[in-house]
Amino acid sequence: KAGVTQTPRYLIKTRGQQVTLSCSPISGHRSVSWYQQTPGQGLQFLFEYFSETQRNKGNFPGRFSGRQFSNSRSEMNVSTLELGDSALYLCASSREGGYNEQFFGPGTRLTVL
Amino acid sequence: GNSVTQMEGPVTLSEEAFLTINCTYTATGYPSLFWYVQYPGEGLQLLLKATKADDKGSNKGFEATYRKETTSFHLEKGSVQVSDSAVYFCALSDQNYGGATNKLIFGTGTLLAVQP
Repeated sequence: KAGVTQTPRYLIKTRGQQVTLSCSPISGHRSVSWYQQTPGQGLQFLFEYFSETQRNKGNFPGRFSGRQFSNSRSEMNVSTLELGDSALYLCASSREGGYNEQFFGPGTRLTVL
Repeated sequence: GNSVTQMEGPVTLSEEAFLTINCTYTATGYPSLFWYVQYPGEGLQLLLKATKADDKGSNKGFEATYRKETTSFHLEKGSVQVSDSAVYFCALSDQNYGGATNKLIFGTGTLLAVQP
């Protein structure tokens, strides 16, 4: 069974630009979550989508948004990029329901210059 | 709110040494507990999990027991290898949310370096 895939793997942007990251979950998984990983803040939860609906959200500004499609693939968007948005963005998928283990993709490394 | 506290790293060991990485948690209810491992340049891989008190999760020689009385989930391995060098994260399922969620709360991670 294929794992979670994320594209692109690396991105370089400049301040003020916007970026879209993509995630394809494991086949059959309908829950997709996004995390930001930085050396200073560690792993922080961004949001979770289930059946095309956001069902949980972390404490990030409105510049961070996401969506999920009917095939469970998900995208997250960051608008008006700031230097502090430089991070590894990890996508994870899970089975239905709650409190299940999450399976992570390799991440997208975003660098904002 | 729920939180996870891990021992500070880095932890440096010689090959075949015994490993313990401490993890304690604060949570309401009965969260599931997880250990994830991250190798350089990669995402997180689930190492093991436990879903209720006194459960022991195990995988690849690693073990951790869910201790509700001490709110702990310490990771152990009897004999580490160079290939075990990685960052290890303890995590719990977020039971505070008002509905079903798969959100995880992570500790800060512990870097393990195993020397030959």
